Amino acid sequence: NAGVMQNPRHLVRRRGQEARLRCSPMKGHSHVYWYRQLPEEGLKFMVYLQKENIIDESGMPKERFSAEFPKEGPSILRIQQVVRGDSAAYFCASSLGGANTGELFFGEGSRLTVL
Amino acid sequence: AQSVAQPEDQVNVAEGNPLTVKCTYSVSGNPYLFWYVQYPNRGLQFLLKYITGDNLVKGSYGFEAEFNKSQTSFHLKKPSALVSDSALYFCAVRDPSAGNNRKLIWGLGTSLAVNP
Repeated sequence: NAGVMQNPRHLVRRRGQEARLRCSPMKGHSHVYWYRQLPEEGLKFMVYLQKENIIDESGMPKERFSAEFPKEGPSILRIQQVVRGDSAAYFCASSLGGANTGELFFGEGSRLTVL
Repeated sequence: AQSVAQPEDQVNVAEGNPLTVKCTYSVSGNPYLFWYVQYPNRGLQFLLKYITGDNLVKGSYGFEAEFNKSQTSFHLKKPSALVSDSALYFCAVRDPSAGNNRKLIWGLGTSLAVNP
């Protein structure tokens, strides 16, 4: 049973370009979470999605960032017109739908570098 | 407001000695509490959780944690540290009275260094 798969593991973009980060949750999991991690800031919640629905996007910047989790295919975190401050590790996690105990399964992360 | 505090940015311990990584929380209801570990350049891995029952919870890699309701703490412990335990440790809490929002509240992490 494959774990949470994220790709790409490393992504380099120039300022103004777009970054697309993909996350395939564990088999059977219908809840996906995106986090951003910076060395001095810990783990920051960005968005929580279920299939085709955004449940909580309170951690998402108001502009340039969007996320989706379509009925078929991986969850996508999209960053438009990237800036240097977007450089970070982005982690996806999934959990089993219907479970109430909150255990999350994390991917290995996508490390974005903006030049 | 719900919050989690990990009061130590870094903990240093000699190999073979006991280790403690501290966590305190603030939630309105009875909390669900979690510890995760992150090795360098890796994703977070679940270590253990407290939902209900025995206050002493045992988890992966010989770690355990004790839920103390009166002190609102959930400190992570291990009787004998290994160099391979060196990693970043995160405490997290969920308030089950918060409804269907399964968002965890995370501490900022504690870097554990075990010296040979």
